[in-house]
Amino acid sequence: QVQLVESGGGVVQPGKSLRLSCVVSGFTFSSYAMHWVRQAPGKGLEWVAVISYDGSNKYQTDSVKGRFTISRDNSKNTLYLQMNSLRDEDTAVYYCAKDLYSTLLFPAPGDSWGQGILVTVSS
Amino acid sequence: QSVLTQPPSASGTPGQRVTISCSGSSSNIGSNYVYWYQHLPGTAPKLLIYRTNQRPSGVPDRFSGSKSGTSPSLAISGLRSEDEAHYYCAAWDDSLRAVVFGGGTKLTVL
Repeated sequence: QVQLVESGGGVVQPGKSLRLSCVVSGFTFSSYAMHWVRQAPGKGLEWVAVISYDGSNKYQTDSVKGRFTISRDNSKNTLYLQMNSLRDEDTAVYYCAKDLYSTLLFPAPGDSWGQGILVTVSS
Repeated sequence: QSVLTQPPSASGTPGQRVTISCSGSSSNIGSNYVYWYQHLPGTAPKLLIYRTNQRPSGVPDRFSGSKSGTSPSLAISGLRSEDEAHYYCAAWDDSLRAVVFGGGTKLTVL
């Protein structure tokens, strides 16, 4: 069955870096765009970034531009989120999610999500 | 402040039909598909509706999406206690070049 498993979360000081990974199985990873979505404590869902099936196109929300980088390794069935210059407001549960499509014509998180990984930014 | 606007709460009794609205602008809802998600605390969000009114396989037909003009909505008929959750709408925004979510609606089954 389809599985998405996030890892790499934890407690980190403001200004430091962290890299999240999302290993997938149960579907052809290289055929789908992938997203990162987060939920801060007590808040709603917030979209973070998307990458096309081949990594050639990416979009990010304004609040993480210049700090976060989404990438993928199709040979390892793995999605990444490199998070630099972390801020208190980046504290959240981060989810990886599969898009329904390969390209970024109508991107949106789709039918499969991971369980989420907690990132806490605190001194 | 979310780009898409949803009522913060909704409620109904078992068996009732409830609807949740989502409002936005011409750059998102007005020109792109709307997606709806169900989220229970501590679990992975679940896609309920894609492309405004399409249901993924496995989602009960009690859940339906529609759009009247630029006003999409999610309807849940035959309300059940297990439907108590947070519901979110989302869409691509052509101006922001980003996926935007609504603030979420907490549904309570009385």
